[in-house]
Amino acid sequence: ETGVTQSPTHLIKTRGQQVTLRCSSQSGHNTVSWYQQALGQGPQFIFQYYREEENGRGNFPPRFSGLQFPNYSSELNVNALELDDSALYLCASSPLLTAYGYTFGSGTRLTVV
Amino acid sequence: QQPVQSPQAVILREGEDAVINCSSSKALYSVHWYRQKHGEAPVFLMILLKGGEQKGHEKISASFNEKKQQSSLYLTASQLSYSGTYFCGTEEAAGNKLTFGGGTRVLVKP
Repeated sequence: ETGVTQSPTHLIKTRGQQVTLRCSSQSGHNTVSWYQQALGQGPQFIFQYYREEENGRGNFPPRFSGLQFPNYSSELNVNALELDDSALYLCASSPLLTAYGYTFGSGTRLTVV
Repeated sequence: QQPVQSPQAVILREGEDAVINCSSSKALYSVHWYRQKHGEAPVFLMILLKGGEQKGHEKISASFNEKKQQSSLYLTASQLSYSGTYFCGTEEAAGNKLTFGGGTRVLVKP
């Protein structure tokens, strides 16, 4: 098992810019979920993709968008970055929705200045 | 609405026991438990399903009270490696999103 890989690990962007974060899911996992984790807080659900279709979305504005590819890897895109978008972005994959728990990647630390 | 975890933090001596609670105001299908060490990814510990049995992972076990919509995580004979932040994640329906609590910071001292 290769686990969940996220890239880049750290990123600094300027307010108003756009960013793309990438996630390679664990082999055999068809579900990818994205979370935003502010310092000292629990992960907040952004959205989930199951077999390339969005399967639920949290309370995030439309400038947060995503994709899942045929190999089940995924991207998180954020447009018009705001200072409050600074956080750790976690990707989690699972073999079937939430049935067997999530395997998390180490995250991308995004800083917006 | 996110589940509420208590306590927010706990300090233990090696070998001591602790209980972490996770409460939801909504009917739940499942409760997940994860542990996150500083600077690392959260690691899955166990999942408890509605109508399911109490689970265990090493000397860590958990229960799910469906009537109260509450889950408890039991750290028994704690080890130094148990230090970290514990998160519960709740699911309202099968295949639905997982909503995490604010976390409980656990520090186990020698």
